[in-house]
Amino acid sequence: QIVLTQSPAIMSASLGEEITLTCSASSSVSYMHWYQQKSGTSPKLLIYSTSNLASGVPSRFSGSGSGTFYSLTISSVEAEDAADYYCHQWSSWTFGGGTKLEIK
Amino acid sequence: EVQLQESGPSLVKPSQTLSLTCSVTGDSITSGYWNWIRKFPGNKLEYMGYISYSGSTYYNPSLKSRISITRDTSKNQYYLQLNSVTTEDTATYYCARGSGTWGLDYWGQGTTLTVSS
Repeated sequence: QIVLTQSPAIMSASLGEEITLTCSASSSVSYMHWYQQKSGTSPKLLIYSTSNLASGVPSRFSGSGSGTFYSLTISSVEAEDAADYYCHQWSSWTFGGGTKLEIK
Repeated sequence: EVQLQESGPSLVKPSQTLSLTCSVTGDSITSGYWNWIRKFPGNKLEYMGYISYSGSTYYNPSLKSRISITRDTSKNQYYLQLNSVTTEDTATYYCARGSGTWGLDYWGQGTTLTVSS
C-alpha cells in the first residue's frame, strides 16, 4: 500500500506569507487531492487531481506535482487558513498524516 | 445542493458490531462513488471503503475482514457495518461523495463513536 508522507508536521506562518506544504508518495502516483480541516468541522476539498481548484476555494490556494512529490501552496496566508491540511490519493485509498498550519 | 448525514450510535461495546447510516440528498447513490472515512483521536485520517453506483464495493485491506458497505437505493442511503469493534475503532466517522478524478467533494458532518465497555 502506498504511504503518503506530509511535511512539515507543523508549520507556523505569518499573515501574508507564501507557504508550501508537501506530500511525498512511497511510489509514483498519477494525481493528488488536498483537503483542509478546521477544528470541529468536516474536511473540505481544496484541490483535486493535483492542480484543480475546488468550487468556492480562494485563488490563493494552488497545487502542483507529479510522480512521488506533490505540493500545496498558499500564496498569501490569511488568518482563516489556520487548519490541518491532508493530501489524499483515492486510488491508493490513503491519506497523508497531515500538516497543521498555525498563524503567528 | 448535495448533503450527506451520518447517523448511528455514539457508544458501542467492544466485540459488538457498529452500524452507521449515511443519508444522501441532492444526488442519487446510483451515480458516483460513496465513501466512508474515519478520523482517529490524534488526527489520523483513514479511508475505509466505498460503494459504487453499481453496488460494487472496495474495502481498505486493513479492515477487509470486518467491514461491509451496503446500500438501499429506495431510501438513497448507504451503510457501514464494522464487526468486532475494539477501542481502536474509536473515531469520528464520515461519509463522503467522491472519486479518483474529482476528490471527495461533499462530506457529512461526521459522527463520533466511542468504543468502551
